[in-house]
Formats: sequence, C-alpha cells, structure tokens
Amino acid sequence: AAGVIQSPRHLIKEKRETATLKCYPIPRHDTVYWYQQGPGQDPQFLISFYEKMQSDKGSIPDRFSAQQFSDYHSELNMSSLELGDSALYFCASSFWGGGPDTQYFGPGTRLTVL
Amino acid sequence: GDSVTQMEGPVTLSEEAFLTINCTYTATGYPSLFWYVQYPGEGLQLLLKATKADDKGSNKGFEATYRKETTSFHLEKGSVQVSDSAVYFCALVIGMGSQGNLIFGKGTKLSVKP
Repeated sequence: AAGVIQSPRHLIKEKRETATLKCYPIPRHDTVYWYQQGPGQDPQFLISFYEKMQSDKGSIPDRFSAQQFSDYHSELNMSSLELGDSALYFCASSFWGGGPDTQYFGPGTRLTVL
Repeated sequence: GDSVTQMEGPVTLSEEAFLTINCTYTATGYPSLFWYVQYPGEGLQLLLKATKADDKGSNKGFEATYRKETTSFHLEKGSVQVSDSAVYFCALVIGMGSQGNLIFGKGTKLSVKP
C-alpha cells in the first residue's frame, strides 16, 4: 500500500539559512499534518491543512510557513534557521470524511542546523 | 487542556515477559485513542486505536481497551519479543470541535533482552 512520502530524508543547513520540506500524502487523503520531534521528545503539532486550506495551527514559529497544493502535497518552509530547529519533522495524512480519522505518518525528515 | 500521561521509561523486560505501559488522558471532548510505535531511526507507525468507550484495539499481539471511567488506554502484550524494542507513544484526537491534530504522551522506551 502507498505510504506518506517525505523528502528529503536528511537535510543539513547552516544557521540563518532556509529549508523546504516536502510531503506527499497517501492517495485520496485530503488532510496533511506537520509535527516536529526534538531529540528524545514527543512529536509536537505544528500545522495542518484540509483541502488546501490551513485548518489548525499549533506551536509553529513565525519563521515557518506551509501550504498545501492542488495535488494535495504540502511544503513546510523554514527561514532564518536556528540551532534549536534541529529535529525530526514528520508529515502525516488522513482522510477527513466529516471527522478526524487515523493519521498515517511518513518516515520523517531529519533536519540538522549547524 | 487536553493531555496524555504515560508511564516513564525506560522499561526493560526479558523476552516472553508480560508488558503493560500505562496511559491516562485528560480531554474535554470525546477522544479517539491511539498507540503509535517508533523503532530506532524510523518514523511513527500506528499500532492500534480505539474510537469509543469500551472499544478494544489490537494488533501484533498488543491490546488496549478504552476505559472512559478511568480515562485510561493501557497497552498490554502477553509475551514480548526482542523485536518489540522501540518507543511507544500514546496519543489522542478529540472527536468533535477540532481539526484532529494528535496530542502525544512523552513516550515510553521499551527494551527487550534475549
């Protein structure tokens, strides 16, 4: 079965640089979520999109932005990177269908900021 | 606010031992409950879920029962294997009035020794 695809899998950036993370949801899933997992931490919700519109916002810094495109893939844009942004970034997708359904996670993008 | 509390790890067991990982929740609505597993260096995989009181989720020998009266969703397995070594996250999604982002517990690391 098709799974959530994230790219790149690993990314190394310098402080103050920008990064773009991409997420391709499971086919027919209309909702995408982004989570950030720091070392040894639980995943923290950043932002979500339903049918290409932002649906909810969590603890996402103002330096970060995201969008969902017409083909339902999503991109997380991160600017002015800081050392503390080093983390595993997960994308998850689900089919809304009138209520929250099971979220399926991608393998994650490991971002290292030097 | 809504939250999930898990027993702290790490938990170290011998192969074929019985496993219990406690999870309790606080929620203002009617949550769906999940257990996700994260193997070393990998993403989050859905292990099991329950969407209403008294539901039992089960998968790969793991079980958890949604107990509304005790607001709990404890994970159990009768006989663990070395391959079960991973971090286990309990999580909830509020079923109504929310866009469905997951709220995770802190995770419990399980190590199974041969």
